[in-house]
Amino acid sequence: KQEVTQIPAALSVPEGENLVLNCSFTDSAIYNLQWFRQDPGKGLTSLLLIQSSQREQTSGRLNASLDKSSGRSTLYIAASQPGDSATYLCAGQGGSEKLVFGKGTKLTVNP
Amino acid sequence: DTAVSQTPKYLVTQMGNDKSIKCEQNLGHDTMYWYKQDSKKFLKIMFSYNNKELIINETVPNRFSPKSPDKAHLNLHINSLELGDSAVYFCASSLRDRAGYTFGSGTRLTVV
Repeated sequence: KQEVTQIPAALSVPEGENLVLNCSFTDSAIYNLQWFRQDPGKGLTSLLLIQSSQREQTSGRLNASLDKSSGRSTLYIAASQPGDSATYLCAGQGGSEKLVFGKGTKLTVNP
Repeated sequence: DTAVSQTPKYLVTQMGNDKSIKCEQNLGHDTMYWYKQDSKKFLKIMFSYNNKELIINETVPNRFSPKSPDKAHLNLHINSLELGDSAVYFCASSLRDRAGYTFGSGTRLTVV
């Protein structure tokens, strides 16, 4: 059974700092790893999708990596901005096709 | 706009009532899902349909019944609503060849 853990649960940083959010999963037979952003009271916005044959994806100031052998993914945010404040969710998809979510990291970027 | 759209966005109802939430996607995806986000913000899958066929049915009370009239629509009907059903319900869709999920904006259900 796939379980996804995100550390830390909450993170507060000053504006401009580079930061890393961590995600670990128990079943290495993962097919896709997807990072989402959720703003308070809002839906989920897909940030990056790393498919099985890939090791990382980049979009603007965001970079996500996937290491299936160690069961880890990281989301790197460069030069953080107050607008990056949100909850970041990591989710893994395995053979059962369902997306299993971590509990999220709540990020606050202080001006 | 190409998207996953859910209605209603907010739903407040009394215990014991029956209610439905509708979901539609125009992305050409063949698989649709219902997720529940509880008060602690944890997202958990409830159901999944592929081309109108139920493929995932997690441990969900049978008061919850999904219906998929076609591969672009997945509705959720809830009978005899209970206080514990209060949550945000998200619809999502994907292609079965696993190209990532797209989520709707959620339906906040409050049972009073």
